[in-house]
Amino acid sequence: GAVVSQHPSRVICKSGTSVKIECRSLDFQATTMFWYRQFPKQSLMLMATSNEGSKATYEQGVEKDKFLINHASLTLSTLTVTSAHPEDSSFYICSASSTVRVDEQFFGPGTRLTVL
Amino acid sequence: GQQLNQSPQSMFIQEGEDVSMNCTSSSIFNTWLWYKQDPGEGPVLLIALYKAGELTSNGRLTAQFGITRKDSFLNISASIPSDVGIYFCAGSPGTASKLTFGTGTRLQVTL
Repeated sequence: GAVVSQHPSRVICKSGTSVKIECRSLDFQATTMFWYRQFPKQSLMLMATSNEGSKATYEQGVEKDKFLINHASLTLSTLTVTSAHPEDSSFYICSASSTVRVDEQFFGPGTRLTVL
Repeated sequence: GQQLNQSPQSMFIQEGEDVSMNCTSSSIFNTWLWYKQDPGEGPVLLIALYKAGELTSNGRLTAQFGITRKDSFLNISASIPSDVGIYFCAGSPGTASKLTFGTGTRLQVTL
């Protein structure tokens, strides 16, 4: 149980294009989903928290117009990196907490974004 | 943002040895979680702790929630090669709150 998927697992795009990453909870309903960014050999840094049906809450220093988050249902959240630039290249990971185990976050496998 | 201090930063051990790592915070947390991350993958939840002083096991792994609520420990007994990876602690101040992650402990196991 508590499986989270992400798609795509890897994406390479040209500078200036937008990229959408999907995060799905496969076997549970996720009232809250989180988006993290991880640079090589570093820890996870929270970017934003999204709740189904409401606007995402962004961490300090994260541009909400740059990283658009939509949490359309209890099983799907999307992160869109708009007008991507090489410095946006990173490993993006989502997590979800369920209505039953609200204090535990279950992570997706991550998406490796490379912007050329 | 804030990060929790984890130590050691990295460790090389031989197969069969026991491993200990800890995580400290300047602020109190009400939930402590321990994750393992393999290269190119997302973190996998190992153990969740909810009460100060709590000691919880998951197979060869044992974790403790510090009595001050500002620290936590993870022990791995009789390490095996597949224990290789990065271990992260994470703390949460309350129900369904965002997690603060530790700096990570990289574990490498030699035969």
